[in-house]
Amino acid sequence: EAEVAQSPRYKITEKSQAVAFWCDPISGHATLYWYRQILGQGPELLVQFQDESVVDDSQLPKDRFSAERLKGVDSTLKIQPAELGDSAMYLCASSPVGGIGQFFGPGTRLTVL
Amino acid sequence: AQTVTQSQPEMSVQEAETVTLSCTYDTSESDYYLFWYKQPPSRQMILVIRQEAYKQQNATENRFSVNFQKAAKSFSLKISDSQLGDAAMYFCAYRSRGGTSYGKLTFGQGTILTVHP
Repeated sequence: EAEVAQSPRYKITEKSQAVAFWCDPISGHATLYWYRQILGQGPELLVQFQDESVVDDSQLPKDRFSAERLKGVDSTLKIQPAELGDSAMYLCASSPVGGIGQFFGPGTRLTVL
Repeated sequence: AQTVTQSQPEMSVQEAETVTLSCTYDTSESDYYLFWYKQPPSRQMILVIRQEAYKQQNATENRFSVNFQKAAKSFSLKISDSQLGDAAMYFCAYRSRGGTSYGKLTFGQGTILTVHP
C-alpha cells in the first residue's frame, strides 16, 4: 500500500541551528501539505502545494521557515534559525487532484534545545 | 475562519462497550466536509470516517458511525464494540468544499481515548 514517506523521523537540534525535513508524497498526488502539531494539540497547516506552486502559506512564519517542491513531487521544509518554540511534530500529507481526504506520513518530531 | 472544538480532552471506555466523542464546529459555509482522524501513539494519522455536509444520512464505517447535526454544527463519533486497538488520539477536522482555503484541514484539539480490557 502506498504511503507518504518522511525523514528524518526524529531530529534534535540546538536553537539557532538550521534544520530540514523531507517528504515524499504518494505517487501521483498533486497536492502536498505541511502541518505543525504541537504536543497535545491538533495539527495546523503551514503550507499547501498544488504541484510545484504554493497555494496557501498564510500560516508559515516566513522569516525563518521556507518550503519548496521544485519538481512537484517531493518537498523540503526548512527552519533557519530554529527556536525553542519550534519543538513539535511536523506532518506531511498528500491528496490526489479532486481527492477529499488526506493521507498523512509518520511525521518528524523536532526537539529544539 | 472556521473553528473546530473538541470539549473532551480524555475519554475512556471498557472493551466491547460503546463510546461517543463530541465535536462542534463554527462556519459560515453551507457546503463542506467533516472528518474524524485517529492518531495512535507514535504512529501516523489515519482517516476513520468522513461526512459530506450536503448529505443528510449519517456516515457509517463498520464499528464507527457519526451523528451529524448540521443546524447545531455538531459532529460526534460513536465507536461500538470498542477494541484495544481503538486506543488513540482522535481528531475532528473540517474542510471547505471550495474557496481560497480549499483542501486545508482545520483540526480540533483532540480527544485521547483509552480502552480498558
